[in-house]
Amino acid sequence: NAGVTQTPKFRVLKTGQSMTLLCAQDMNHEYMYWYRQDPGMGLRLIHYSVGEGTTAKGEVPDGYNVSRLKKQNFLLGLESAAPSQTSVYFCASRRDGSYEQYFGPGTRLTVT
Amino acid sequence: DAKTTQPPSMDCAEGRAANLPCNHSTISGNEYVYWYRQIHSQGPQYIIHGLKNNETNEMASLIITEDRKSSTLILPHATLRDTAVYYCIVRPRSNDYKLSFGAGTTVTVRA
Repeated sequence: NAGVTQTPKFRVLKTGQSMTLLCAQDMNHEYMYWYRQDPGMGLRLIHYSVGEGTTAKGEVPDGYNVSRLKKQNFLLGLESAAPSQTSVYFCASRRDGSYEQYFGPGTRLTVT
Repeated sequence: DAKTTQPPSMDCAEGRAANLPCNHSTISGNEYVYWYRQIHSQGPQYIIHGLKNNETNEMASLIITEDRKSSTLILPHATLRDTAVYYCIVRPRSNDYKLSFGAGTTVTVRA
């Protein structure tokens, strides 16, 4: 099992550009999550999904959109990137009934 | 959700036990204590969780005080690979199981 994978690993955007971050998991987990981590801080939840076709807002959802068209994939979109969105983005998944979230390796995004 | 307080940093000698404290004095009856750790530049890793009983697994032990207002994560024989940021999280068990990470404790294991 590859576990949770994230694409790309690094990206540099100019202000106003758009992009999509892809999270994929091969563990057949129902729940998936997107977090961001700013330097020296803990992770903050952006959006999450409790199953295919469903999404919900987390703690810091503004400026982001998500989609979960397939159970194994959770996409995070930035429609118009801003420097404040410079961060490391982590995706996680969890099996229904389990306490444990499995995290991906992260995507380091810089917006100039 | 209950707020947690952890020391910002601590050092530990390799091979010795590392005891990581967490204060959660406003914890309510249905809230669990979870511990995750984040090794530099990697995604967080689940360690252990508990409600009111002490818990042990292959990674660590979790000791929760009788009044549940504080807990201690114990790494029994710290190795250099245990150097990481350790997060104590208090959350009710719910279907969505959203986590909220604070600043955590930066643990440095020294040879």
